[in-house]
Amino acid sequence: QKEVEQNSGPLSVPEGAIASLNCTYSDRGSQSFFWYRQYSGKSPELIMSIYSNGDKEDGRFTAQLNKASQYVSLLIRDSQPSDSATYLCAVGLTGGGNKLTFGTGTQLKVEL
Amino acid sequence: GAVVSQHPSWVICKSGTSVKIECRSLDFQATTMFWYRQFPKQSLMLMATSNEGSKATYEQGVEKDKFLINHASLTLSTLTVTSAHPEDSSFYICSARDFSRTGGETQYFGPGTRLLVL
Repeated sequence: QKEVEQNSGPLSVPEGAIASLNCTYSDRGSQSFFWYRQYSGKSPELIMSIYSNGDKEDGRFTAQLNKASQYVSLLIRDSQPSDSATYLCAVGLTGGGNKLTFGTGTQLKVEL
Repeated sequence: GAVVSQHPSWVICKSGTSVKIECRSLDFQATTMFWYRQFPKQSLMLMATSNEGSKATYEQGVEKDKFLINHASLTLSTLTVTSAHPEDSSFYICSARDFSRTGGETQYFGPGTRLLVL
């Protein structure tokens, strides 16, 4: 079982719609959760971090964390073509020595 | 804030040569930096954790004698790919942790170095 799982996609949404990206993790003691965006050929860029259950909003982005279900999601409102990228979920594992474990990423395509 | 740079951004070298990649935290001090490798269409794979003033910690399957890491200061870590071969061609990305910010686990990535070994 992979430690951090994401659907590889591609997830296609029309411009202006809400994109919902999901991630599950296996270590119940995980404490820190991150969403990164990676454009093709570029390095990852931090979008959101979340540490406690519930929602965290930043502009068009909302991260949701449910530790009981071991589930973290990212909602992108009013999706734009520039949001088309691969979104990486990263989890800080208990006793991981400061390391993050990344999912394989979900490719998002926002269509005109 | 939290800017990480890498140099060079791309490099082409002959098989058997060594290549050094630098990772710098520009506006913060980083006691811990990380080196990742990413092959096309694949996710990030952590190679090693670089700790200032001590030996790097390598992930399983990563040859420490081939991938030399030096973290000599709080703002600089280097990765040297020794005796590079075509299979080492990849996108090498470093990241650094900024403990001064809320959520010290946050890693900020450099722009990456694309290595092509001929």
